[in-house]
Amino acid sequence: DTAVSQTPKYLVTQMGNDKSIKCEQNLGHDTMYWYKQDSKKFLKIMFSYNNKELIINETVPNRFSPKSPDKAHLNLHINSLELGDSAVYFCASSQDYKGYGGYTFGSGTRLTVV
Amino acid sequence: LAKTTQPISMDSYEGQEVNITCSHNNIATNDYITWYQQFPSQGPRFIIQGYKTKVTNEVASLFIPADRKSSTLSLPRVSLSDTAVYYCLVGDPDGGSQGNLIFGKGTKLSVKP
Repeated sequence: DTAVSQTPKYLVTQMGNDKSIKCEQNLGHDTMYWYKQDSKKFLKIMFSYNNKELIINETVPNRFSPKSPDKAHLNLHINSLELGDSAVYFCASSQDYKGYGGYTFGSGTRLTVV
Repeated sequence: LAKTTQPISMDSYEGQEVNITCSHNNIATNDYITWYQQFPSQGPRFIIQGYKTKVTNEVASLFIPADRKSSTLSLPRVSLSDTAVYYCLVGDPDGGSQGNLIFGKGTKLSVKP
């Protein structure tokens, strides 16, 4: 199936831990993103990668770092997790950095920090 | 920074036409306007995208006036399965050469039998 897949689907961890979320797309898209959806369901962009280069880096804490080994993968590493990091994180991809043709989203990773 | 305004929620009945408007009075001139649908515990799903005037596909229509200060998603004859949150996505004029796309806060549509 062509899709954006992210793992794990659920992640429960303690404050201070370091964790990673993986994302892969097999759509041949050039741009990949990470979005955070908070408890109010607001979607905010965190990062986007176009051909392995970071092109948007919003005001997120530097505890968050995206890593892209190739065009099909964009992983999210989070260091020293805090309670406020609890949210649903979505990976997405699009044909180009303007989002023409729309984004394809993964099913989300629900991160709970306790 | 681009700002968007959508109704927080809307109610409808099966078989009715539903129009959801997103106001965005300061968006990037060269970017498309896109709408997404999100069901609980799923990622947003692309519905339709346009630049100006009217676009129609098999599930919806999108109306964009010439001044592009708003856009209206039209869902014909909704069914119970259209109950979801609907988001508009627009370009931020301050996003630089690489652009920056901003989601609206979403409209929760409830379709009743």
